[in-house]
Amino acid sequence: EPEVTQTPSHQVTQMGQEVILRCVPISNHLYFYWYRQILGQKVEFLVSFYNNEISEKSEIFDDQFSVERPDGSNFTLKIRSTKLEDSAMYFCASSREGYTTSGPPEQYFGPGTRLTVT
Amino acid sequence: SQQGEEDPQALSIQEGENATMNCSYKTSINNLQWYRQNSGRGLVHLILIRSNEREKHSGRLRVTLDTSKKSSSLLITASRAADTASYFCATGLYSSASKIIFGSGTRLSIRP
Repeated sequence: EPEVTQTPSHQVTQMGQEVILRCVPISNHLYFYWYRQILGQKVEFLVSFYNNEISEKSEIFDDQFSVERPDGSNFTLKIRSTKLEDSAMYFCASSREGYTTSGPPEQYFGPGTRLTVT
Repeated sequence: SQQGEEDPQALSIQEGENATMNCSYKTSINNLQWYRQNSGRGLVHLILIRSNEREKHSGRLRVTLDTSKKSSSLLITASRAADTASYFCATGLYSSASKIIFGSGTRLSIRP
């Protein structure tokens, strides 16, 4: 069964450094998402992406964050200058269906990248 | 209540028993989804119920939605050890096309 993959599984970086988290969505999916989960807290939406454009982003997704689909298979999340509070598990997700008036579609999540900022 | 609050926070039952988890939300939704998360792993989509639906089944899962009470329940029948996980409801809002808002989850433990 096809699945979303993410690399690396764990990334340790120093405060102020740039990190790029990588995701390979399911191959026939066209809608992509990033979420994060700070330890012990809820899963939070960061951004949705379709047709090489951001569809929607949350208040968390400030100028320090960017997303890109550099080729036909990868979807990346870049954090330009990491802060201690960026430490979290970052989940990539994709969906085959798009956003409709019936609401957001079911999404398929990757296993996550644990980012630790020291 | 906040958007997407599960109840109870933790539930421990004997294998073979049924498990019921509830979700309450504040703002009107267009759909509600349930996800499972095994410890340290990603989220797995279980079921999606639209705001005009009242009940949905998938295998041993039964989800109900009561929009008048702004609540949903997830019933797992004949629980198995492999059902041990955290279960989250996630709501889709009319104000947002793509974003889903997750609740804080119910930690379900199945005792052998």
